This record gives sequence, structure tokens and C-alpha cells, in this order.
Amino acid sequence: LAKTTQPISMDSYEGQEVNITCSHNNIATNDYITWYQQFPSQGPRFIIQGYKTKVTNEVASLFIPADRKSSTLSLPRVSLSDTAVYYCLVGAGAAGNKLTFGGGTRVLVKP
Amino acid sequence: EPEVTQTPSHQVTQMGQEVILRCVPISNHLYFYWYRQILGQKVEFLVSFYNNEISEKSEIFDDQFSVERPDGSNFTLKIRSTKLEDSAMYFCASSVNLASGGSTVNTGELFFGEGSRLTVL
Repeated sequence: LAKTTQPISMDSYEGQEVNITCSHNNIATNDYITWYQQFPSQGPRFIIQGYKTKVTNEVASLFIPADRKSSTLSLPRVSLSDTAVYYCLVGAGAAGNKLTFGGGTRVLVKP
Repeated sequence: EPEVTQTPSHQVTQMGQEVILRCVPISNHLYFYWYRQILGQKVEFLVSFYNNEISEKSEIFDDQFSVERPDGSNFTLKIRSTKLEDSAMYFCASSVNLASGGSTVNTGELFFGEGSRLTVL
């Protein structure tokens, strides 16, 4: 399984854009990149998934360079409620395969 | 919006006792999972389950643990003879829709429940 490395924590302010970069140097050809958000004492919540280039949904964008050895989650105009831990996961898109969570990035949004 | 539900939300037990954590996955999902998170640590995979059998399990999921889908809706995690180090938040998740016509839709998204906090004394 590809190991991921992401910053332990990041601080931001309301209304700013937050970009979290994850390194996954040994990503395999059939691996997808998935980001989850977790609030304290709650289960992780899916944010976005991609394989290459750029993916955008209603809450975030995911940028993946051509070599796929890293990815950047972009949260536009964060609010206080975006304070959470954000996890970058790399794994095969096939169902049933285990997802391995790393330490995540603790994002603190300040007023 | 459909969701994964878990019971109990919190259980306190004595060391050595058996515990059963219950989950109701999203109704048309086919894959089910258990994860756990020790306080302050990362989310750890325990087991995945498909078609009434375990499809993958981690090193944590030893003989002390078992999973079962006793009926068409519940998915349970049993921990026999609990130990202090079993104290954690246990999350159930499900994925992969069974669409009409029997096809499956795999968006890669796991839907997690709110968790069951297990405290072993």
C-alpha cells in the first residue's frame, strides 16, 4: 500500500483558501487518491476522489500532477466549521479493499 | 440522505467481558467495514465483509474479533474477552450501491457511521 505524508497541522482564517498537499511517492498504477474529513468524535466523511488531473465538487477541488506522486486538496473560502482533520488516502478503487488512514492534517480555522 | 447507524453510542465494560457492536449499513450497499480509532490516534482498518464473508482483515483483527451479518440489515462486530487496549471508537462503514438490474456502482466512497465508543475498565 502506498504510504502518504501530509503536514500534521495547518492554521487558516475564515474566508481563506486552504491547500493541503499530500505526498505519495510510491503510488501504484491502479491506486486512486481519496480525501476524508473527520470532526472530533465523528466518523470520517468522504470529500473527494481522483485519479489524475483535477477533480472538483461542491466542497473541494483535488489537483493531481501528471506523475501522481502528490495531490493537493483545496478548500475554497473556509469557515470555522471546516476545522477538522483531513486525511489523504491512496488505494485501489476496487470495493472491499482496505483504506489505510495516515495521521491526517489538523486544520484550524480561526475567526 | 441514507446513513450508517451504529449502536450503542457508548459502552462501558469490564475487562474480559464480551461486547457486540451493532451497525445498520446503508440498505443497498454491498460492502461493509469496521475501523477503530484509539483516542488521539489514527483510524485503523479492522475488516471488510462482502457476500457474507470476510474479504480482507488487518493484523489487529485476530481471533478475539468476529463479524457477522445475522439478518438482512445488521452487521455486527463481536469482541470476545475484551482487554484494556480495546478501548477505542469503533466505526462501521459501507460502500458500493446495488443498482437496479443487478449492476453495482462503486464511487470509491465509504460511508461511515458516527461510531461506538468502547471503554474497557
